[in-house]
Amino acid sequence: NAGVTQTPKFRILKIGQSMTLQCAQDMNHNYMYWYRQDPGMGLKLIYYSVGAGITDKGEVPNGYNVSRSTTEDFPLRLELAAPSQTSVYFCASRVRDREADSYNSPLHFGNGTRLTVT
Amino acid sequence: AQSVTQLDSQVPVFEEAPVELRCNYSSSVSVYLFWYVQYPNQGLQLLLKYLSGSTLVKGINGFEAEFNKSQTSFHLRKPSVHISDTAEYFCAVTRTGFQKLVFGTGTRLLVSP
Repeated sequence: NAGVTQTPKFRILKIGQSMTLQCAQDMNHNYMYWYRQDPGMGLKLIYYSVGAGITDKGEVPNGYNVSRSTTEDFPLRLELAAPSQTSVYFCASRVRDREADSYNSPLHFGNGTRLTVT
Repeated sequence: AQSVTQLDSQVPVFEEAPVELRCNYSSSVSVYLFWYVQYPNQGLQLLLKYLSGSTLVKGINGFEAEFNKSQTSFHLRKPSVHISDTAEYFCAVTRTGFQKLVFGTGTRLLVSP
């Protein structure tokens, strides 16, 4: 099992460019998440998905888009990159709990994509 | 809405000394609480979690945390730290039926010889 794989590891974008951050998991997890991590700010949820074809906004969705056409993949799209999107981006996944009102399964994180927009 | 506050952005400590990393949460309903650790240039990994039952929770690498409902706290402790514990530690909260985990701002633990 590779777990959660994120590509690329690093990227530098010019203002206004677009790119897609890739995230793939091979654990057959239903739930997938995109977080951004900024110094002193912790992790903020951008978008999440509870299954193929279903996505929802998190705390900071502006400037981003996602899709979930398969269980394995959850790409994050930046359409018009801005300096405020300079950050480290983490993808995470977890399996659906057997009981709907529990939260037993942990998040599995990728190693992150470090993005700089200049 | 749930939130967590990590009161210390950085905690320096000497090797073999005890450490406590503080976390307070805010929620009007029952919560689930977690501590995650992030080593340099890596993603986060789960240290321990409180879902229900015993308020003292033991995790990996000798860490433990105590859920205190009256003080709305979930502080992380280790009786004797190692250099290898140097990392950033995140407290996180969610609630029943809520699929999103809300993270605190993190505490950087710096262990020196």
